[in-house]
Amino acid sequence: QSVLTQPPSVSAAPGQKVTISCSGSSSNIGNDYVSWYQQLPGTAPKLLIYDNHKRPSGIPDRFSGSKSGTSATLGITGLQTGDEADYYCGTWDSSLSAVVFGGGTKLTVL
Amino acid sequence: QVQLQQSGPGLVKPSQTLSVTCAISGDSVSSNSAAWNWIRQSPSRGLEWLGRTYYRSKWYNGYAVSVKSRITINPDPSKNQFSLQLNSVTPEDTAVYYCARDTAAAGPDFDYWGQGTLVTVSS
Repeated sequence: QSVLTQPPSVSAAPGQKVTISCSGSSSNIGNDYVSWYQQLPGTAPKLLIYDNHKRPSGIPDRFSGSKSGTSATLGITGLQTGDEADYYCGTWDSSLSAVVFGGGTKLTVL
Repeated sequence: QVQLQQSGPGLVKPSQTLSVTCAISGDSVSSNSAAWNWIRQSPSRGLEWLGRTYYRSKWYNGYAVSVKSRITINPDPSKNQFSLQLNSVTPEDTAVYYCARDTAAAGPDFDYWGQGTLVTVSS
C-alpha cells in the first residue's frame, strides 16, 4: 500500500480533459510541496509538475497541478494518444522522514 | 544538460550485496543545490524512495526506514558519481533501480533520472 492514494486508472477521449487525484495526510501533502511524474512504458519517470503547480521547461501548459489541504490534482487538457502513460505523485513525509509516492494512475486515451 | 548514467550487475544472489553506480555529467555530486537519490520500482512495491546523499559544507545521507539497516549511499567526488549498496538482498529486492537528482529547492522534485538498472535477486 502506497502512502499516497491515486486512482488505479482513468480514461478519456482525445481532445478531452482528465484529472488525476492524489490523496495524503497532514504529514505529507498537507505539509510539503507535491510533484507529478509521467512514465511511458519502459522509460524512467519524467518530471511534469513541481512545487504543486510549476512546470519544468519544455512541459506544455496542457499539464497543470494544484493542491488543497491534504490532496493534490494533476490536470491534462487536450488529451493526445501520446499522453497514455502512468502518472505518479510524490512528496516528503515528515513522519517517515522519506519521500513518498502514490501507487500510480494509468491513463488511457480512448 | 544533466545526464545520469547507471552501471551495475543485473543479477545478484540472495544474501549478497547489490551495487549500482550513477555517473553524473552536467552537474556535480558536490553541488550545494542538489541531492542525489536512489529510487526503485517493482510491480509489488511501486515507486519506492531508498535514500539520498548531498553536500552542504559536509556530506549528509538520509535513508528510508524500510532499508536503513542494509543500505549505504556513497558519493565519489573524484569520479563525480555516487553509488548504492544494499546488503543481504532477498528476492523482494528485485526491482528496477533508478538514480535521480533532486534540485532540493522546495519540495522533492526529481528532474533528472538515470536510465534504470533491472536487478534480479535469484540463485
